Amino acid sequence: AQKVTQAQTEISVVEKEDVTLDCVYETRDTTYYLFWYKQPPSGELVFLIRRNSFDEQNEISGRYSWNFQKSTSSFNFTITASQVVDSAVYFCALSEDNQAGTALIFGKGTTLSVSS
Amino acid sequence: EPEVTQTPSHQVTQMGQEVILRCVPISNHLYFYWYRQILGQKVEFLVSFYNNEISEKSEIFDDQFSVERPDGSNFTLKIRSTKLEDSAMYFCASSIPTGVGYTFGSGTRLTVV
Repeated sequence: AQKVTQAQTEISVVEKEDVTLDCVYETRDTTYYLFWYKQPPSGELVFLIRRNSFDEQNEISGRYSWNFQKSTSSFNFTITASQVVDSAVYFCALSEDNQAGTALIFGKGTTLSVSS
Repeated sequence: EPEVTQTPSHQVTQMGQEVILRCVPISNHLYFYWYRQILGQKVEFLVSFYNNEISEKSEIFDDQFSVERPDGSNFTLKIRSTKLEDSAMYFCASSIPTGVGYTFGSGTRLTVV
């Protein structure tokens, strides 16, 4: 069965600190997709990144970076030089590669609070 | 950039009433989904829809729920007789194949009183 674990429930940092959000997943499939979404206080789900299981290259987008390690089934997300606007709930999610519309399985989310 | 549009953004309904949540998926997407997020909790899958039929549903999606694509653009979620515990944010999403181009709408907050 698929499962996504975000062990950190809440993280509080001060602006300009770096912060890493952990995500560990379980799946028996060899082909799958991993996602990160941001949910700001306004409530919408903002797509951040999608990674397929065959692409283990780390990715950097501005202050955001992602570390995908199949050996440890982890897909961690780092925010460098955090800002108050980064305050949100961050969800990691997993999807099997199934053409019939398989669900995204979400973790419970990590609430990040960045103070000035 | 193409968007998934959900209406209304907030709906208040009396317990026992029927409610229909509406979504307009991205036009060239083929797969449609509904997810639910009870306040402060994780996002949970309800149902996926492809080729005019349900392709997968969760345990949450019981006989009280139904989905429909009444025309070429709308995708609806109906809750037949709402309960207090149906109060949640409901997200619609659409995608091409699963895992690719998966886009969420901004959600409908349903409050059952």
